Amino acid sequence: TQLLEQSPQFLSIQEGENLTVYCNSSSVFSSLQWYRQEPGEGPVLLVTVVTGGEVKKLKRLTFQFGDARKDSSLHITAAQPGDTGLYLCAGAHGSSNTGKLIFGQGTTLQVKP
Amino acid sequence: NAGVMQNPRHLVRRRGQEARLRCSPMKGHSHVYWYRQLPEEGLKFMVYLQKENIIDESGMPKERFSAEFPKEGPSILRIQQVVRGDSAAYFCASSPPSNKGREQYFGPGTRLTVT
Repeated sequence: TQLLEQSPQFLSIQEGENLTVYCNSSSVFSSLQWYRQEPGEGPVLLVTVVTGGEVKKLKRLTFQFGDARKDSSLHITAAQPGDTGLYLCAGAHGSSNTGKLIFGQGTTLQVKP
Repeated sequence: NAGVMQNPRHLVRRRGQEARLRCSPMKGHSHVYWYRQLPEEGLKFMVYLQKENIIDESGMPKERFSAEFPKEGPSILRIQQVVRGDSAAYFCASSPPSNKGREQYFGPGTRLTVT
């Protein structure tokens, strides 16, 4: 069974703090996506990482793909209340285009003003 | 440029009825995926379709569930004889033919409640 484990599951911090969310697996992924989901809405794509060791930045968010393409992290600098939401990582496998994404359980982030 | 559209947004069915969920992909996207999100669980893949073809249905329950993506019109996820355990949020995603499904763009979902 292919699994993506996210940690922590819940995170409550004060505005201005930094945080890191982790996404780990024993499987190798050809690509990994990070999504953010608001209550009652669908996931919104934030970034895709493809190359081992790749780092991408989106304003205060930094995404990294592990060298072995089995893990990823999301770091938020100076968190703001608007960052509150559910963060999901999702991995795609191998060369065959099955289209299936494997999702982590998600990290619920609450940023208090 | 409209995103992925799903309707209805909310659907209530009694046990034993049929549920039909519709998904219109983004313009230019020919690949459609369906996922289910149960309460307190993550998103689970159900099925991947291209126009008139089911490519991967490994996540679909063997009975009562079916999906199609006809040449014309939206993709349909059909659940026959619904049971309470089918209550969940069902999300559709689409991707263009060029990116091999790496980036999938999700609709707002249909929340199915079975009473």
